Amino acid sequence: GAVVSQHPSRVICKSGTSVKIECRSLDFQATTMFWYRQFPKKSLMLMATSNEGSKATYEQGVEKDKFLINHASLTLSTLTVTSAHPEDSSFYICSVSGRADEQFFGPGTRLTVL
Amino acid sequence: GEDVEQSLFLSVREGDSSVINCTYTDSSSTYLYWYKQEPGAGLQLLTYIFSNMDMKQDQRLTVLLNKKDKHLSLRIADTQTGDSAIYFCAENLYTGGFKTIFGAGTRLFVKA
Repeated sequence: GAVVSQHPSRVICKSGTSVKIECRSLDFQATTMFWYRQFPKKSLMLMATSNEGSKATYEQGVEKDKFLINHASLTLSTLTVTSAHPEDSSFYICSVSGRADEQFFGPGTRLTVL
Repeated sequence: GEDVEQSLFLSVREGDSSVINCTYTDSSSTYLYWYKQEPGAGLQLLTYIFSNMDMKQDQRLTVLLNKKDKHLSLRIADTQTGDSAIYFCAENLYTGGFKTIFGAGTRLFVKA
């Protein structure tokens, strides 16, 4: 399957700053990547679908101006959490989808906002 | 609506079988998945079943799908301590594009 990496794996930032998380598909050209958020002891929540070369599609309730997604190439999508607040602290996971029956997940990025 | 529900905890003894259950609400699911997440790690796809199948077996894993009741189960035979993890049920929907909806995850404890 596809190998997906995320950087950084952990980040701690001050409230009000912006944080960029990278998702890379190392061996697969991904026209579509997904960004999820996982709350403690909760399920993964789909935030947005990132499409290469076009605007991301955000799920209902996700602020597109707060969670900026850029999918500039077939191997890289970035999620920028702007003006982060403590309630944005979470585990952010990206995935790459090759076909409807397969998704390959990155290892996740744990964001802590102080 | 789009909703996937699972029980939160399951505890079994090593060597016993584990059965993790899941219910979903959207009948337009194309694929249904089971993912495993170990502490601090990402998700690993364990197995999946196409929505027109009733059963799929893959070594120690057996997936049963009751489409009428919208019920999915994962049976792990001869459960080992290494199987301790969180197991997520998920359904893949097509709503103009593919979207995966996850359950909250079932935490499996395996006692030696």
